[in-house]
Amino acid sequence: GENVEQHPSTLSVQEGDSAVIKCTYSDSASNYFPWYKQELGKGPQLIIDIRSNVGEKKDQRIAVTLNKTAKHFSLHITETQPEDSAVYFCAASSPNPYGGSQGNLIFGKGTKLSVKP
Amino acid sequence: DTEVTQTPKHLVMGMTNKKSLKCEQHMGHRAMYWYKQKAKKPPELMFVYSYEKLSINESVPSRFSPECPNSSLLNLHLHALQPEDSALYLCASTPLAGANNEQFFGPGTRLTVL
Repeated sequence: GENVEQHPSTLSVQEGDSAVIKCTYSDSASNYFPWYKQELGKGPQLIIDIRSNVGEKKDQRIAVTLNKTAKHFSLHITETQPEDSAVYFCAASSPNPYGGSQGNLIFGKGTKLSVKP
Repeated sequence: DTEVTQTPKHLVMGMTNKKSLKCEQHMGHRAMYWYKQKAKKPPELMFVYSYEKLSINESVPSRFSPECPNSSLLNLHLHALQPEDSALYLCASTPLAGANNEQFFGPGTRLTVL
């Protein structure tokens, strides 16, 4: 089955700097890669995602890159702000092995990002 | 309406109690999920309902009993829980359309078992 590795587990940056979080996956059939931000006491919030037919996607200060050959994808946050402080989870969605369209998410272990003012 | 709601926000129960968690979405999604999340860990999948039918049970103990009365509502019935079941219980939903697997999570129910 799919396995997702996420690094680093903690990341501390100064406000205004960039932050990069990296994930690798094992199942070459995985086709959807979301990133979630989870603030303390809240549920995960989808912040950006990318599909296997795209190499890069950007949304304001957040970007995600995907390298299918190497089976890794990364989250890039530029001009970090204190409100970016949270735990970030990457995930990979493997297709349903029994057919059909529904896949399930396999999560990385999370990265705790701290942005110092 | 583009959100998943969960009630209650917090729940404290004894090991002999019976309680239920409720999840609701009005986005027309046809798949709904229960996850369990322990502190500093990623969400762990418990159950998946697809078109109101249980499609995945990740070997969850029978003291957790899911129910999907209709396409908008998902319940998790709790009975005879153990202190180690204390966690954040998250509900999520996703449309069942091709490779469109965006999962939207609710805020969770923080459960404490005494």
